Amino acid sequence: QSALTQPASVSGSPGQSITISCSGTSSDVGGYNFVSWYQQHPGKAPKLIIYDVSLRPSGVSNRFSGSKSGNTASLTISGLQAEDEADYYCSSYTRTSTRVFGGGTKVTVL
Amino acid sequence: QLQLQESGSGLVKPSQTLSLTCAVVGGSVSNDAYSWTWIRQPPGKGLQWIGYVDHSGSTHYNPSLESRVTTSVDRSKNQFSLNLFSVTAADTAVYYCARDWRSAFDIWGQGTMVTVSS
Repeated sequence: QSALTQPASVSGSPGQSITISCSGTSSDVGGYNFVSWYQQHPGKAPKLIIYDVSLRPSGVSNRFSGSKSGNTASLTISGLQAEDEADYYCSSYTRTSTRVFGGGTKVTVL
Repeated sequence: QLQLQESGSGLVKPSQTLSLTCAVVGGSVSNDAYSWTWIRQPPGKGLQWIGYVDHSGSTHYNPSLESRVTTSVDRSKNQFSLNLFSVTAADTAVYYCARDWRSAFDIWGQGTMVTVSS
């Protein structure tokens, strides 16, 4: 299985909105509504911030939102804050019941 | 709140077997709502899904690792385990255990660094 495709880096100024894409195929992202997103700060374990394409776990800021169109899922961070600077990964369920991650996106707050 | 705690050898020689265990604290590994997953992250690189075992012992693995990996559940000890055979330097990574709920990894262990070196 091939990794999902994410941009290597995205940047924005405080208060702005940024969007991270996650491209797959009809065998993973496009075929199921089981896309999730993770935030990882340096030296820390990843943290779930979006599941089932667009749902937020309890305690996750509503500045994080997810969506999907065709074979591409997206994570939007609104009102960008310094604490949002981190690596972000998408993940999807696949046709063979496995899971696959994206390559990760480094978010920089300018 | 459920917690996951990895343990195992931090240094493995090439061609030998990497073995890790993840203790489930504050919950039950027998809960059929969840699967129990292993994920790794080589230094400076992204996350790689290794595989999972569910409450019944059914497993699914990353095709790129399938020939070298096994996972299992020990209900008596409330833990699950990973074995990765014939390791090379490319298997050096931080290894995470995680709980898989609706194909999302909602709880993670703190991660354990495993180095493959002679």
